[in-house]
Amino acid sequence: DSGVTQTPKHLITATGQRVTLRCSPRSGDLSVYWYQQSLDQGLQFLIQYYNGEERAKGNILERFSAQQFPDLHSELNLSSLELGDSALYFCASSVEAGTSSAKETQYFGPGTRLLVL
Amino acid sequence: TQLLEQSPQFLSIQEGENLTVYCNSSSVFSSLQWYRQEPGEGPVLLVTVVTGGEVKKLKRLTFQFGDARKDSSLHITAAQTGDTGLYLCAGAKGGSYIPTFGRGTSLIVHP
Repeated sequence: DSGVTQTPKHLITATGQRVTLRCSPRSGDLSVYWYQQSLDQGLQFLIQYYNGEERAKGNILERFSAQQFPDLHSELNLSSLELGDSALYFCASSVEAGTSSAKETQYFGPGTRLLVL
Repeated sequence: TQLLEQSPQFLSIQEGENLTVYCNSSSVFSSLQWYRQEPGEGPVLLVTVVTGGEVKKLKRLTFQFGDARKDSSLHITAAQTGDTGLYLCAGAKGGSYIPTFGRGTSLIVHP
C-alpha cells in the first residue's frame, strides 16, 4: 500500500460524458501528479500540482482539467469523453515539488480504470 | 517515437533463469528510475540511478546506468514467480523531475 488512494477504482461511461477522478496523496506529500496509461501510449504524464498550484503540464488535452484543493486532495476532470480516453489513470504524490529528481520518490496510487463506450 | 525504448517488450521464462532487460535512448538523462508494476496496481519505484556507470543492487536485481547516461539495464538473477510484472524505466532531464516513461517490459516467470 503506497498510501495514495484513488476513487473510483473502475468507471464505465459513454462518449460525450464528463467524469471526475479523485486522488488523496500520502500524508505529508504536497505534490500530486496525474498520469494516463494506455496500451498504445504507455504511461504519459498529464499534469502536476504542488500545494494547490499547477506546477507542470504534460500531454494533457484541453478537454481535461485538474485542481488540487486546500486539503491537498486532487481531482482530474475529463469531459466530452471519447473512446480513445479509455485508459488507466494514475495519481502519484511526492513530498516536494520535484525540483531534484534524485531526491524525489513518487508514490503511485492503484489507479482508476476508465472505460468509455 | 518513444524517448525511452525498452526491450524486449515481452519476456516469458522459467523460475531460476537469469534475464536482462534494457532501456535505451538517444537523450542524456540526469537520472533514471526503474519501476515494477503488478496487475491492478500502480508502479512501485525499485531504484534511482544518477551517475554514469553507476551500478546498484537490490537483492537479486542489478541495475546499471550507462556511462553516457543514455541507457540502463536491469538484470535479474535466478528469477522467481514473484518477479512477474511490468518493468518500467523512467528518465528525467535537468532540474525538474517530470519523468518520461518507457512502454515497459512485461515479464512472466513460470513455476
